Amino acid sequence: DAGITQSPRHKVTETGTPVTLRCHQTENHRYMYWYRQDPGHGLRLIHYSYGVKDTDKGEVSDGYSVSRSKTEDFLLTLESATSSQTSVYFCAISLLAGENTGELFFGEGSRLTVL
Amino acid sequence: SQQGEEDPQALSIQEGENATMNCSYKTSINNLQWYRQNSGRGLVHLILIRSNEREKHSGRLRVTLDTSKKSSSLLITASRAADTASYFCATDAKTQSNYQLIWGAGTKLIIKP
Repeated sequence: DAGITQSPRHKVTETGTPVTLRCHQTENHRYMYWYRQDPGHGLRLIHYSYGVKDTDKGEVSDGYSVSRSKTEDFLLTLESATSSQTSVYFCAISLLAGENTGELFFGEGSRLTVL
Repeated sequence: SQQGEEDPQALSIQEGENATMNCSYKTSINNLQWYRQNSGRGLVHLILIRSNEREKHSGRLRVTLDTSKKSSSLLITASRAADTASYFCATDAKTQSNYQLIWGAGTKLIIKP
């Protein structure tokens, strides 16, 4: 299994509170991604990173920010959580990106409930 | 936007039977990938097929790609209870600044013992 650890795995919080999810990898892969998974939808990309301090927005980035200060860590922050952000969040990593995006390796997911 | 769409949404078959899932997409692609997700777990890569390939095999898995119809199929032969999972296709799509993987909503496969 690829060395990807997400924390916390489960979190219940209240509307308006800040939340940070952490993704830690031991594979030294350059590219990292945060997705959310909701029933009836495929995975939707929130933000991605192509290196330390290099990040970009995905399809559903509103309400989320990210930071990558080290190759191995990619943080996803909800500055003020809303009920619409209740979801399962997945971190993924890849060796390649762009036109030659190959296999993605996924973490086990972080289930977030916003009350 | 949803580039890949799987069909059917759900499939229930007896152990030992073959399972076929389909994926359709909208724009031209470089690669198409299939992933499996067991309940409560992360996604696991199964197979990648390039746009210039028509068929690819991996163990009991057979993937076909028809770029003229913008569709792919995943066949699992001699299904086992352990194949119970959701299966997703992912295609690369060019956005304004980059290529991103676009995911379908998945096919939920149940193998009955």
